Amino acid sequence: EVQLVESGGGLVKPGGSLRLSCAASGFTFSDYTMNWVRQAPGKGLEWVSSITSSSTYIFYADSVKGRFTISRDNAKNSLYLQLNSLRAEDSAVYYCAKKDSYSGSSTPLFDYWGRGILVTVSS
Amino acid sequence: EIVLTQSPGTLSLSPGERATLSCRASQSVSSSYLGWHQQKPGQAPRLLIYGASSRATGIPDRFSGSGSGTDFTLTISRLEPEDFAVYYCQQYGSSPTTFGGGTKVEI
Repeated sequence: EVQLVESGGGLVKPGGSLRLSCAASGFTFSDYTMNWVRQAPGKGLEWVSSITSSSTYIFYADSVKGRFTISRDNAKNSLYLQLNSLRAEDSAVYYCAKKDSYSGSSTPLFDYWGRGILVTVSS
Repeated sequence: EIVLTQSPGTLSLSPGERATLSCRASQSVSSSYLGWHQQKPGQAPRLLIYGASSRATGIPDRFSGSGSGTDFTLTISRLEPEDFAVYYCQQYGSSPTTFGGGTKVEI
C-alpha cells in the first residue's frame, strides 16, 4: 500500500523558514517524480514544485520560485520542501504527491497523495 | 497556463441519483491528459480518472469520465453516501499542471 506522510508544518512568522518532509513507502520511491501541492484554507489545489527521480530536473510554480527549494533522499525514501521568506499567502495545507504510473506525460498527474500538513504564516 | 473552470460550484443531490460534473479548459488539453480527484474533509485527495476516461486502480465503475479538447465530464451513475465530497479536475497536458476550482457534491 502506498503511503505518503508529511511532517514539519506549523506556525511561522512572515519572513521565516520551515522545512517540510514526506516519508514514502509502498512503492519504489527512486523510480518516480515527486511533487508538492498546496491548498490554502477554503481554496482549491495549487501545484508548487516537482523533482524527477534522480533530482535531475526540478520545477517550481512562479509563486514560490526563488523562495522554496525541493529535494529528495532516495536512500531514505524521503521528499523535502524548504520554505524560506514565507508570506501570509503561503499559508496552506501542503500535500506530498506521487507522479502517476499511467501516462507518458512529462507534466505530472498525481496518483497518490499524503494527508497533508498545515503551514500557517502569521505574526 | 491552462485555466480549468468547473461547474456547478455545488451540486445538491440524494443518494441513488446521478451526478454530472463539468470541467472546461481555456485551451485544448493535449492528448486528453485530464484527471479527476475526489477529496473528503481531512483526507488525502484520491485519483478517480486519468486520461479523461480511464478509471484509476480500485475505483468503482459508477464513476466514469468523458470528453476531449476543452470540455470534460465526470459522471457518478448512482450516488453512494461515501461519494459526497469535493471533486477537482486536473490537466497535465501542458506545464504547469493546473486544477479546477472544484465541485462540491452535497446531500
